[in-house]
Amino acid sequence: EIVLTQSPGTLSLSPGERATLSCRASQSVSATSLAWYHQKPGQAPRLLMYGASSRATGIPDRFSGSGSGTDFTLTISRLEPEDFAVYYCQKYGSSPITFGQGTRLEIK
Amino acid sequence: EVQLLESGGGLAQSGGSLRLSCVASGFTLSSFAMSWVRQAPGKGLEWVSGISFSGASTYYADSVKGRFTISRDNSNNTVYLQMNGLRAEDTALYYCARPRSAAGPYYEYAMDVWGQGTTVTVSS
Repeated sequence: EIVLTQSPGTLSLSPGERATLSCRASQSVSATSLAWYHQKPGQAPRLLMYGASSRATGIPDRFSGSGSGTDFTLTISRLEPEDFAVYYCQKYGSSPITFGQGTRLEIK
Repeated sequence: EVQLLESGGGLAQSGGSLRLSCVASGFTLSSFAMSWVRQAPGKGLEWVSGISFSGASTYYADSVKGRFTISRDNSNNTVYLQMNGLRAEDTALYYCARPRSAAGPYYEYAMDVWGQGTTVTVSS
């Protein structure tokens, strides 16, 4: 089973700043099989990125993803108030699918 | 509108059973593999189980293998999770989730449709 480790655990930033979230895999992951979600309190997760760098429907272009092999990054270019949430990376493409433990993005 | 609606959660005693349901609307359930994903209170996401579009193939996390059974009734647009031998560590919010593309096994695509979840609490 591939283990995903996200860092940092908590990221404190202000609106307008740039956020960089990391996801490291215990084994190489195909870039076509890495997704990012965010989850706001009391809500279900929402798909942001799939295939490491493709934005899901309705996701603004301030979100971007990159990476390959074992290291992947989600970047939010200019934080909006609605971006403060918990972010999860996910590996799919083979069973079992796995999630990282999450990065909490909080308002500084 | 594409929607998933979970139900069936509640309070169960350790060793007890519950059956969760996930009703789909706004899309053809029979074309999609489906998954259950859970989230323990204050914790992250954990994939629990997946099922192929036909129901012929099923998959389980090691933590629930032998205790949980996933199934589906495409004629009623419903996916089920039968949970037996419940443990305190099964306490969580259980989500039903759909992959973003039809066909293929449950793990082929990221999940773009999620229900709001149903809460399972297991008391010891």
